[in-house]
Amino acid sequence: QKEVEQNSGPLSVPEGAIASLNCTYSDRGSQSFFWYRQYSGKSPELIMSIYSNGDKEDGRFTAQLNKASQYVSLLIRDSQPSDSATYLCAVTGSARQLTFGSGTQLTVLP
Amino acid sequence: GAVVSQHPSRVICKSGTSVKIECRSLDFQATTMFWYRQFPKKSLMLMATSNEGSKATYEQGVEKDKFLINHASLTLSTLTVTSAHPEDSSFYICSASRGQVGTDTQYFGPGTRLTVL
Repeated sequence: QKEVEQNSGPLSVPEGAIASLNCTYSDRGSQSFFWYRQYSGKSPELIMSIYSNGDKEDGRFTAQLNKASQYVSLLIRDSQPSDSATYLCAVTGSARQLTFGSGTQLTVLP
Repeated sequence: GAVVSQHPSRVICKSGTSVKIECRSLDFQATTMFWYRQFPKKSLMLMATSNEGSKATYEQGVEKDKFLINHASLTLSTLTVTSAHPEDSSFYICSASRGQVGTDTQYFGPGTRLTVL
């Protein structure tokens, strides 16, 4: 089992819709959870960080964490074509290293 | 802010030469810097973790004699790819962390695309 798993997609949503990205992790000792956005040919850009159970909202983005289920998600409301990118879930485990999922490719259709 | 720069952004070299990549945290002191490589359509793979003033910790399978890492100050780390070969061609990305307790967010540099001919 991979340490951090994401649906590889591609995920396509129409402009204005809600995009839902999911991630599960295997290390129960994980402390910190991050969502990064990566455009093609560019390096990852931090979107959200979340450390405790529940929801965290920042503008159009909401991260949700459920440590009991070892699940973290990212919701993007009012999706825009500029949101089209690969979204990487990353988890800091008990060894304090950042482990990335394989990424979910999101396409927002105009 | 938390800005990390990398230089060069792109380099093309001949097989057998060495290439040095610099990673700088511009507006904060980075207690820890990380080096990743990324192949096309793949996720980031951690190569090594470096702390200022100490030897880097390399991930399993990463040759420390081939990928030399120096973290001379709290704002600068360098990665030198020695005797580069075509299979070393990749996108190399550094990140830096303030290392504050409870928040270990990594901020990424823009990456260096290495092509070895």
